[in-house]
Amino acid sequence: NAGVMQNPRHLVRRRGQEARLRCSPMKGHSHVYWYRQLPEEGLKFMVYLQKENIIDESGMPKERFSAEFPKEGPSILRIQQVVRGDSAAYFCASSPPGTVSGNTIYFGEGSWLTVV
Amino acid sequence: GIQVEQSPPDLILQEGANSTLRCNFSDSVNNLQWFHQNPWGQLINLFYIPSGTKQNGRLSATTVATERYSLLYISSSQTTDSGVYFCAVPNFGNEKLTFGTGTRLTIIP
Repeated sequence: NAGVMQNPRHLVRRRGQEARLRCSPMKGHSHVYWYRQLPEEGLKFMVYLQKENIIDESGMPKERFSAEFPKEGPSILRIQQVVRGDSAAYFCASSPPGTVSGNTIYFGEGSWLTVV
Repeated sequence: GIQVEQSPPDLILQEGANSTLRCNFSDSVNNLQWFHQNPWGQLINLFYIPSGTKQNGRLSATTVATERYSLLYISSSQTTDSGVYFCAVPNFGNEKLTFGTGTRLTIIP
């Protein structure tokens, strides 16, 4: 059973370009979470999605950031018009239906975005 | 929201030494997780430990939920133990994890 798969692992974008990060949850998992880790900091929650629904986006910046988890295919975190401050590691996590309070959340290996 | 603090922020030890990392949290929790982020950035689950003590090889963890802290013990440290150790707790009633600020452990050969 493959784990949470993220791609690309590393992405370099120029300021003003768009970044798209993909996350395929573990098989059987219907909940996806995105976290951001700025340099030298801990991980911060961004958004929690279930298939075709955004459940909690309280950690998402109000502009330029969006996330989706379509019925088919991976979850996508999209950052438009990237700025240098968006440079960070973006971690995806997934959990099966019925997860209570985080006890079965599994993390991917992260996607490192560098904005030049 | 819940606050999570870790100490010490940095720890440098000789190979073979033992260490204790601490995680304090500001509110009642029904679970707590410890992670190791290795020098390549990978985040590795170490323990799910809402209360009591668990052991896995040279690592063990103890959570005292009533006093709102958890401890991670590393015995006979190896250079591969280097990295940043995070604890994380769920916000009550939902599945968001709040991460601590981390302890950066450096093991010197």
